[in-house]
Amino acid sequence: EIVMTQSPASLSVSPGERATLSCRASQSVGSNLAWYQQKPGQAPRLLIYGASARATGIPARFSGSGSGTEFTLTISSLQSEDFAIYYCQQYNNWPPFTFGPGTKVDIK
Amino acid sequence: EVQLVESGGALVQPGGSLRLSCAASGFPFSKFEMNWVRQAPGKGLEWLSYVSTASGDIYYADSVKGRFTVSRDSAKNSLYLQMNSLRTEDTAVYYCAGVRNWNEGWFDPWGQGTLVTVSS
Repeated sequence: EIVMTQSPASLSVSPGERATLSCRASQSVGSNLAWYQQKPGQAPRLLIYGASARATGIPARFSGSGSGTEFTLTISSLQSEDFAIYYCQQYNNWPPFTFGPGTKVDIK
Repeated sequence: EVQLVESGGALVQPGGSLRLSCAASGFPFSKFEMNWVRQAPGKGLEWLSYVSTASGDIYYADSVKGRFTVSRDSAKNSLYLQMNSLRTEDTAVYYCAGVRNWNEGWFDPWGQGTLVTVSS
């Protein structure tokens, strides 16, 4: 089973600032990595797939990069609606599909 | 509008059973591979089960193997999860989520979730 880790566990950012979230896989997943955003009381929403492709309707301030075992989600200028928990997920070697434990982005 | 709507969540005693449903609309359900994912209170996301378009391939997480059974009825645009021998650690919000195909394993769309509470 591929184990996903995320850092930091939480991140305090001021609106308008840049946020950089990291995700690491225990073995290579190629580019088969997705990022999700989850707000309280809501289902996760797909942001990024294929490590760097934005899902439909996702603003350009969200960008993904990386391959192999190291990945990054960058939010270039945080808006109020971006404060949420972000999860990465690998789909290179499944079952099982595995998620990281999440990074909580809150207001500084 | 693309929509997945889960139902069937409830309070159930340990050892009990429950059947969750997920109704799909607004997209070609029969062409999507479907999954169940859960989230315990205050915790992260845990994949539980996958079923292919024609139900020929089915997989489970070790945590639910032998206790949970996934099925789908494409004529009714519906996905199901039969949960038996429930434990307190099965308490969670249960989401259904679609995958376009086995090679594109990101989850989209998602339902809004249904809460299962296992407690005496």
